[in-house]
This record gives sequence, structure tokens and C-alpha cells, in this order.
Amino acid sequence: DIQVTQSPSSLLASLGERVTITCQTSQSISNNLNWYQQKPGQAPMLLIYYATSLQTGMTSRFSGQYSGRSFTLTITSLEPEDIANYFCLQHYSAPLTFGSGTKLEIK
Amino acid sequence: QIQLVQSGPELKKPGESVKISCKASGYTFTDYAMHWVKQAPGKGLKWMGWINTYTGKPTYADDFKGRFVFSLEASASTANLQISNLKNEDTATYFCARWGTTVDYWGQGVMVTVSS
Repeated sequence: DIQVTQSPSSLLASLGERVTITCQTSQSISNNLNWYQQKPGQAPMLLIYYATSLQTGMTSRFSGQYSGRSFTLTITSLEPEDIANYFCLQHYSAPLTFGSGTKLEIK
Repeated sequence: QIQLVQSGPELKKPGESVKISCKASGYTFTDYAMHWVKQAPGKGLKWMGWINTYTGKPTYADDFKGRFVFSLEASASTANLQISNLKNEDTATYFCARWGTTVDYWGQGVMVTVSS
């Protein structure tokens, strides 16, 4: 199985700050990784697919990059509505595997 | 708009069975596979497998072979997850999620609590 290591597990940031979350995979998966935002009691929402593509309707404050086995989600200029849990998903091969999540809170 | 609406929370005793549903709307149900994901309290997400909504063929992740059954009511655009012989460790939120070119839309999740 492909392991996905996500960091940090929690993040305190100020409004307006730039935030970066990382997922590292145990083997190469090309660009087959998505990022999701999950708020309590709500369905996860797709933010970035295939590592760098912004899902339709999502704010351009979210962006994704990757290099080799390292994937990053960046939020430019943190807004109050960005407070949520973020996780990544590798869909290169079964079993699909997830990062452990990052809880983003306001400082 | 595309929606996956799941059934309500369940409270069950060990050894019982539960069937939870995921009703799709806003797209052609049989054009997109449906995946199932488990999130136990305080734990990460775990992929359970998926069902081909066109053929009805299910595929289960190794940890979910035996007591778990994916099924369809295609005429109702609904996917179901049935868990039999419930155990305490089945206590979790279960999500359905659509796969088009990727896993894009998710249901809101169903909390299943197993307690004697």
C-alpha cells in the first residue's frame, strides 16, 4: 500500500497569512493526489485535483504543487472561512490512501 | 447541482446489522463509480472499496471483505452499504464519494454507533 504522510497535524495561523500543508507519498504516484477541505458535520469538498488543478468554484487562494513524491497545498492570505480540516488522497493505485489530516485554526 | 445525500445516524448493538444509503442527484448515477470511506472517531480516513454503478460489481479493500456489502438501487440512484455482525470497532462515520475523473463529490457521512 502507498503510505501518505501529511504534515503538520495542526496549524495555528493568522488571518492574512500564507499557509502550506504537505503530503509525502511512499512511492511515486505521478500527479494522482487530491486535496480536500472538511468542516465539522459537513461533506468533504474537493479543492485541488491531480495535484495542481483547482476545482471549479473554489477560490484561487488555494493552489497545489508537487515535486516528485512531495505535494503541497497552499492557502494564500488566510480567511476565516478557511478554518477547517484538510486532507490529501492518493488515487494512483488501490487501496486509495489518505493523509492523516491537518487541523487549521486561527491564531 | 450534484448532491450525495446519506441516511441518518444509526445506533446498533454488537451482532446486529445496519444498512446505510447514499442517494445521488444532479447527474446520471450509472456514469460514475461510488466509493465508500470509513472515519473512526479520532482516526483518519480509510478507503473501503467501490462499486461500479453500471455493472453493480463491488470491489472491497482487504480490511472490508466479509461483513461489508456494497449494493445499488439504480432506479433510485442510490448506493447502499450494509454491515453485518456489527462490532464495536465499526463505530465510525461512513462516507460515500463519487468517482468521475477523480473522487469529487462526497456525501455528508453517516454516524454508526455500535454499543451494547
